[in-house]
Amino acid sequence: AQSVSQHNHHVILSEAASLELGCNYSYGGTVNLFWYVQYPGQHLQLLLKYFSGDPLVKGIKGFEAEFIKSKFSFNLRKPSVQWSDTAEYFCAVQGGYNKLIFGAGTRLAVHP
Amino acid sequence: NAGVTQTPKFQVLKTGQSMTLQCAQDMNHEYMSWYRQDPGMGLRLIHYSVGAGITDQGEVPNGYNVSRSTTEDFPLRLLSAAPSQTSVYFCASGNYEQYFGPGTRLTVT
Repeated sequence: AQSVSQHNHHVILSEAASLELGCNYSYGGTVNLFWYVQYPGQHLQLLLKYFSGDPLVKGIKGFEAEFIKSKFSFNLRKPSVQWSDTAEYFCAVQGGYNKLIFGAGTRLAVHP
Repeated sequence: NAGVTQTPKFQVLKTGQSMTLQCAQDMNHEYMSWYRQDPGMGLRLIHYSVGAGITDQGEVPNGYNVSRSTTEDFPLRLLSAAPSQTSVYFCASGNYEQYFGPGTRLTVT
């Protein structure tokens, strides 16, 4: 069965610090990979996605993620976080029938 | 183009009551789905549909029913609400990338 593991449940950073959120998945076939963000009180928004091609994917708001097939990983990175990046971040794997399987989420708090 | 809309935004039910959460999309997507979000558990798939007249169970389908009579609408029914169904419910649609609605916060007392 598909599963997604996000290693950090809570991350606290100061503004301008670098961010890396880990995501590992298990799935036997070809997958599409996503990172979604949920700002407080809002619905999920797509940060970036990987379907195929260049394993380094750039998304909105300066985020990027790298797909490493051999490690079944899709880690999210941002070189310098801002207070406005405070949110919950979800990694998701899409297998058959467009079904998305989500990780448990990582709550990021950025302090000014 | 409203995207994915959900009603109501908030709902309080008593145990045993029934209700329907509404979801509609105007993007002509074949695929629609319902998730519930609980703290520390991410989003879990309840039911999904790959087109009008076709639905299937997700990871946590018990206590929920769905139907898909049109491409646009995908309502979620709770036949007899239980406190364990207190959650935030999100509807999504998309043929590859999924677009999420604003959510319904449901409390069952």
